[in-house]
Amino acid sequence: GNSVTQMEGPVTLSEEAFLTINCTYTATGYPSLFWYVQYPGEGLQLLLKATKADDKGSNKGFEATYRKETTSFHLEKGSVQVSDSAVYFCALRGEGGSEKLVFGKGTKLTVNP
Amino acid sequence: SAVISQKPSRDICQRGTSLTIQCQVDSQVTMMFWYRQQPGQSLTLIATANQGSEATYESGFVIDKFPISRPNLTFSTLTVSNMSPEDSSIYLCSAAASLYGYTFGSGTRLTVV
Repeated sequence: GNSVTQMEGPVTLSEEAFLTINCTYTATGYPSLFWYVQYPGEGLQLLLKATKADDKGSNKGFEATYRKETTSFHLEKGSVQVSDSAVYFCALRGEGGSEKLVFGKGTKLTVNP
Repeated sequence: SAVISQKPSRDICQRGTSLTIQCQVDSQVTMMFWYRQQPGQSLTLIATANQGSEATYESGFVIDKFPISRPNLTFSTLTVSNMSPEDSSIYLCSAAASLYGYTFGSGTRLTVV
């Protein structure tokens, strides 16, 4: 079945550091890929998405590129801020009519001033 | 995108009792989903709820323990029945508001004592 493997956390960075959170997936065909963010005490918010190979999703300075050849969707940001401290989830929606999201385990990011 | 109001936001319940969680969407949606997020863990799908039909439960979850109602296209409830401390978790509802857009409620933090 479909699955998502996400870099284990927690990740601690200083403000303005470069962020990469790795995400790889297993799925048949061409799934849609998502990054969600969960701020403390809140629900999940969609951060960005990509629906086909080589698409780049971007939002709030975050980027991720759908790499079919490496089955990856790594999240990057060039300069993190304290306000980016949250838990980040990689997720996929399978091809072929099933609308269920499959989530990775989540990566907790803490950004220190 | 759709906005989901979920309540209660948190509750502390006695073991053996039941709690009903409500989610109201501000637009009509075909599919709604219920997830459980145990402390520090990822999201686990409990069931998918379509209007006018019985919910579809994932492996490990049963209707007697987690009955779901979906009376119309904007509303759903999840009941956690005969609770035990192991049911302490965050419960989230989600709606597929468009082909690629999934919106989440802010979650219900349940503690069973």
